[in-house]
Amino acid sequence: QLQLQESGPRLVKPSENLSLTCSVSRRSLSPGNFYWGWVRQSPGQGLEWIATIDDYGSTYYNPSLQSRVAISADTSNNTFSLRLTSVTAVDTAVYYCARHGGSVRGVLAHWGQGLLVTVS
Amino acid sequence: EIVVTQSPVTLSVSPGERVTLSCRASQSVSSNLAWYQQKPGQAPRLLIYGASTRATGIPARFSGSGSGTEFTLTITSLQSEDFAVYYCQQYNKWPPATFGQGTKVEIK
Repeated sequence: QLQLQESGPRLVKPSENLSLTCSVSRRSLSPGNFYWGWVRQSPGQGLEWIATIDDYGSTYYNPSLQSRVAISADTSNNTFSLRLTSVTAVDTAVYYCARHGGSVRGVLAHWGQGLLVTVS
Repeated sequence: EIVVTQSPVTLSVSPGERVTLSCRASQSVSSNLAWYQQKPGQAPRLLIYGASTRATGIPARFSGSGSGTEFTLTITSLQSEDFAVYYCQQYNKWPPATFGQGTKVEIK
């Protein structure tokens, strides 16, 4: 059973940078044609896709956040990470990491439990 | 960016009833549409992809239909565990993947 677990600070000050890590169990991030992404959900709001990285290191970003976001992967540690710069209150959200579908790349098939990050 | 709009915002239903949720895309997404279920305090769960294919382990009472710009998610005989928020998501043109704002299915 694939498991993903987000980790990182739960409280960040405005203007600081946020770094989150997703730990992946059972299957490594070694090349295998999978896509790994981050999605966030502001309190009481809907879902917003942030960024995705594939097993070959290609990255994909939401244009609305692209100037402040970077996604990376550490295959040796089975993790991938998100960095969001210059956060403000609007970045307060539950951040989810997820694995895209193996054959249907556009869907998010496996999700972590989420991590609430508050900017204050 | 493709905008995805769901209706209604909230649906009040009784257990055992049939439920139909709607999702509309601002331009054609072919059949590249997915549905997710999210319960309070939980991550979303993939229900349907390709507009009509159930994900692994999803009960047969969940079905999806549509193509182009109009899609529906139907839940036959609503169970107590089905009360949740449902999101649709297009992936025909990603990035970015875009989600609808959700439909909350609540107990009547």
